[in-house]
Amino acid sequence: TAGITQAPTSQILAAGRSMTLRCTQDMRHNAMYWYRQDLGLGLRLIHYSNTAGTTGKGEVPDGYSVSRANTDDFPLTLASAVPSQTSVYFCASSVTGESEAFFGQGTRLTVV
Amino acid sequence: GNSVTQMEGPVTLSEEAFLTINCTYTATGYPSLFWYVQYPGEGLQLLLKATKADDKGSNKGFEATYRKETTSFHLEKGSVQVSDSAVYFCALHGGSQGNLIFGKGTKLSVKP
Repeated sequence: TAGITQAPTSQILAAGRSMTLRCTQDMRHNAMYWYRQDLGLGLRLIHYSNTAGTTGKGEVPDGYSVSRANTDDFPLTLASAVPSQTSVYFCASSVTGESEAFFGQGTRLTVV
Repeated sequence: GNSVTQMEGPVTLSEEAFLTINCTYTATGYPSLFWYVQYPGEGLQLLLKATKADDKGSNKGFEATYRKETTSFHLEKGSVQVSDSAVYFCALHGGSQGNLIFGKGTKLSVKP
């Protein structure tokens, strides 16, 4: 079982450019999440989706958007990247909002 | 709001030493508590969990007990190995969006 697949693994992006980070899960989990991981700050929630067709804002949503057209996919889009968005991004999923989360391998993004 | 505080790292130990990583939480009610581990270059993996007071989670020689009296969930292992070198995150289920709230992580390095 693949679990959660993120792509790309890493990316260097010019400031001002747009980019979509892909996330796909094959576990049929209802809930999906995007976190960013920064040294000294731990993991912070960017956006979440409790079920297909719905999304919500997390702790640090500015500059990011998401969509949840189906159960499996939860892409994260940066419309116009800025250097402060340099981070490692993790996608996660859980059966429901009350159960443990499963994480992808992460995308390391550098905005220059 | 709900929050998690864990001891600052890094922690450096010799092989076979005893490990304790402290974690305390603030929460309304009694949320499920988790320890996640992140090995170098990888995503987070669930290490253990406890869903109610006095529960003990255990896995791979690690243990943690849900203590509501002290609002703590300290991670312990009696004899660490070099392969335990990783970053450890304490987390609770209590975000307003049904998400996990993480501590900032504790980096453990085990020397042979």
